[in-house]
Amino acid sequence: RKEVEQDPGPFNVPEGATVAFNCTYSNSASQSFFWYRQDCRKEPKLLMSVYSSGNEDGRFTAQLNRASQYISLLIRDSKLSDSATYLCVVSYPRAGNTPLVFGKGTRLSVIA
Amino acid sequence: GAGVSQSPRYKVAKRGQDVALRCDPISGHVSLFWYQQALGQGPEFLTYFQNEAQLDKSGLPSDRFFAERPEGSVSTLKIQRTQQEDSAVYLCASSRSGSADTQYFGPGTRLTVL
Repeated sequence: RKEVEQDPGPFNVPEGATVAFNCTYSNSASQSFFWYRQDCRKEPKLLMSVYSSGNEDGRFTAQLNRASQYISLLIRDSKLSDSATYLCVVSYPRAGNTPLVFGKGTRLSVIA
Repeated sequence: GAGVSQSPRYKVAKRGQDVALRCDPISGHVSLFWYQQALGQGPEFLTYFQNEAQLDKSGLPSDRFFAERPEGSVSTLKIQRTQQEDSAVYLCASSRSGSADTQYFGPGTRLTVL
């Protein structure tokens, strides 16, 4: 079983729609949680960290449920420029390192 | 300021050749990571340096993979006797201090082994 599981999509949504992505992680020792965005043939870029209390950044809202080991990302009022792959990421300390553990990503296409 | 840079951006190798991939982290960043991203997958951790010390190499898939960062800045990932399954994008990331800090990724090197 992969450590971080995501629905690969694609999610095809019209401009202005609200779309939600979910992710589950298997390691209960996970301490930090993130959503990264990756455009085609580009490097991953940090979209937002995810906190237990939930957090919002403009049109983006992230939620964490530690008990269920579940992370979500909600995008409101989708824009064409939101089209990308969204990577769910966790990290946990091990042997002096805290590597990022990525899901496969969920592809989003926002259509005009 | 300048971000993480990697070279070459694209590399085509014949099976059995050795390749060397370079990463220039953000100036002053202590931590440096290498990840491998196969097509349709998320990046997977390969190895981690804090300054010149390689503290974690648990993700290196075989002893054909070797990484170094001799002066605590530039790093090189070397793959010996490349195989087709080594075809992937190799991403380098750096962070300001510890491994738990925000990691900034370079554009990657796309390696194709024929």
